[in-house]
Amino acid sequence: GDSVTQMEGPVTLSEEAFLTINCTYTATGYPSLFWYVQYPGEGLQLLLKATKADDKGSNKGFEATYRKETTSFHLEKGSVQVSDSAVYFCALAGNQFYFGTGTSLTVIP
Amino acid sequence: DAGITQSPRYKITETGRQVTLMCHQTWSHSYMFWYRQDLGHGLRLIYYSAAADITDKGEVPDGYVVSRSKTENFPLTLESATRSQTSVYFCASTYSSNTEAFFGQGTRLTVV
Repeated sequence: GDSVTQMEGPVTLSEEAFLTINCTYTATGYPSLFWYVQYPGEGLQLLLKATKADDKGSNKGFEATYRKETTSFHLEKGSVQVSDSAVYFCALAGNQFYFGTGTSLTVIP
Repeated sequence: DAGITQSPRYKITETGRQVTLMCHQTWSHSYMFWYRQDLGHGLRLIYYSAAADITDKGEVPDGYVVSRSKTENFPLTLESATRSQTSVYFCASTYSSNTEAFFGQGTRLTVV
């Protein structure tokens, strides 16, 4: 069945460091892929999405490219800020919504 | 207001009591979902619904009941609450099976 495997955390980075959070998926068909972000005490918010192979989703300096050949959708940001501290979830939309286990990111000044 | 809303935001109940968590969305989205979020487990799907009067089990359905008589509402009932059901519950909706999900703010449920 469909599934998402996400890099485990927690991840701690200094401000302005480069961020990568790995995400790979297993799916039949051609799912859409998403990254969601959850700030403390809040629900999940859509960060970015890609609906087909080679699409690049981007938002707030974050990027992820839908790689069908490697079944991956890694999240990247060139220079993180303290305000990026949150939990990040990779997700796949097939007949259901499948989430990774989440990666907690803490950015220190 | 447009969006997806959950109520209550916080709930404390006793073991063995029945409790219902409400979820309401204003977009007329076809799909609705209930997840629970627990430390170390991420988000786990409890039940989902593809349309009114159509529901299906997710990964962890035991001890929960859902109904969907109207497109906009998707209540989740714990028939006899147990301490293991202490969790944060999130409702979500999507327009179709392959589009982004929108989440409510969550309900923090504590069973004592």
